[in-house]
Amino acid sequence: DIQLTQSPSSLSASVGDRVNISCRASQSISLFLNWYQHKPGKAPKLLIYAVSGLHDGVPSRFSGSGSGTDFTLTITGLQPEDFATYYCQQSYSAPMYTFGQGTTLEIK
Amino acid sequence: EVQLLESGGGFVRPGGSLRLSCEGSGFSFSSYDMTWVRQAPGKGLEWVSSIGDLGDTTYYSDSVKGRFTVSRDNSKETLYLQMNSLRAEDTAVYFCTKDYGDYPTRFDPWGQGTLVSVSS
Repeated sequence: DIQLTQSPSSLSASVGDRVNISCRASQSISLFLNWYQHKPGKAPKLLIYAVSGLHDGVPSRFSGSGSGTDFTLTITGLQPEDFATYYCQQSYSAPMYTFGQGTTLEIK
Repeated sequence: EVQLLESGGGFVRPGGSLRLSCEGSGFSFSSYDMTWVRQAPGKGLEWVSSIGDLGDTTYYSDSVKGRFTVSRDNSKETLYLQMNSLRAEDTAVYFCTKDYGDYPTRFDPWGQGTLVSVSS
């Protein structure tokens, strides 16, 4: 089974900051890596697909990079609505999927 | 607008059963693979099960295999998850989501979720 490990598990940042969230896969997953945003009581939202593709309607301050086993979600210029939990997800082994354990972004 | 609406959650004793439903609207339901994902209290997202667009292919995580059954009724545009032999560790919010429809696979959109509580 492919495992995804996110780091950090949580981080504090201020509005306007740039933050990076890392996702490491237990084996190479090529470009089969997506990112989601989840707020309590809400439906998760797709942000980034195939490592760096920006999903429809997602602000350009969100970006993704990486390949193979190491991936990064970057938020440039944090906005108040960005404070949430972020998950990476692999579809390399579709239709068996895996999510990372999540990174909670909190207001400093 | 594409929408997914889950229902059927509730409280159940260990060993009991529950059937979740997910009604889709705003898209051609029968054309898309569908997936269930859950989130236990204080935990992250966990893939549970997926089903092909025709309903003839199904997949399960090891944690639910043999206990849960995914199905769909395309005429009713509804996805189901039959959960049997429920355990305390199945307590979670269950989300349904659809394959976006492009390659590679990603999930969009998601429903708001339905809460399943398993306790004695």
